[in-house]
Amino acid sequence: KNEVEQSPQNLTAQEGEFITINCSYSVGISALHWLQQHPGGGIVSLFMLSSGKKKHGRLIATINIQEKHSSLHITASHPRDSAVYICAVRSRRDDKIIFGKGTRLHILP
Amino acid sequence: DGGITQSPKYLFRKEGQNVTLSCEQNLNHDAMYWYRQDPGQGLRLIYYSQIVNDFQKGDIAEGYSVSREKKESFPLTVTSAQKNPTAFYLCASEVHGTWTEAFFGQGTRLTVV
Repeated sequence: KNEVEQSPQNLTAQEGEFITINCSYSVGISALHWLQQHPGGGIVSLFMLSSGKKKHGRLIATINIQEKHSSLHITASHPRDSAVYICAVRSRRDDKIIFGKGTRLHILP
Repeated sequence: DGGITQSPKYLFRKEGQNVTLSCEQNLNHDAMYWYRQDPGQGLRLIYYSQIVNDFQKGDIAEGYSVSREKKESFPLTVTSAQKNPTAFYLCASEVHGTWTEAFFGQGTRLTVV
């Protein structure tokens, strides 16, 4: 079992829909990161969380440390949101960064 | 503007040849990382370096080598010993341990024919 699991693996939605991507992890962490990878391959950091909730524009990220779970929400989705979204955690035990396999999001116009 | 630059974006090599991927950052970050990405898999750590002249093996270091002679530069050599070198390679840097500002390069897609 992977230490970081994301769901769904793939998601196709219509423009305007509310999107939720989930991340569950099995290790103790010091921080969790949500990353966005565009088709060209470059990665952009969206959020770093250690507790609670953060909001940036139409993106909202939440984390529940007790349940070892984080969600990334996109409100009023747009085709330009189409990308792979990656959850990554920093292990508290050995400081290692562990990546999820990513969720491929496709927003249809 | 500060950032991290990988070059080239696409690279083709013949089997059996060594190839070096470049990663340069002007962010004054201490830590630099090399990751490999394969379809359907998460990023996997190849090598990392926390300070100049020091580097550590990651999870999949076999067939790769690195150097860290300057703080700004962390080149990765894919050697002929790497069994499946065709992949997408990403370089990252950070102020070590903080991860508040982890920066990623644009990646290099290596194809070995």
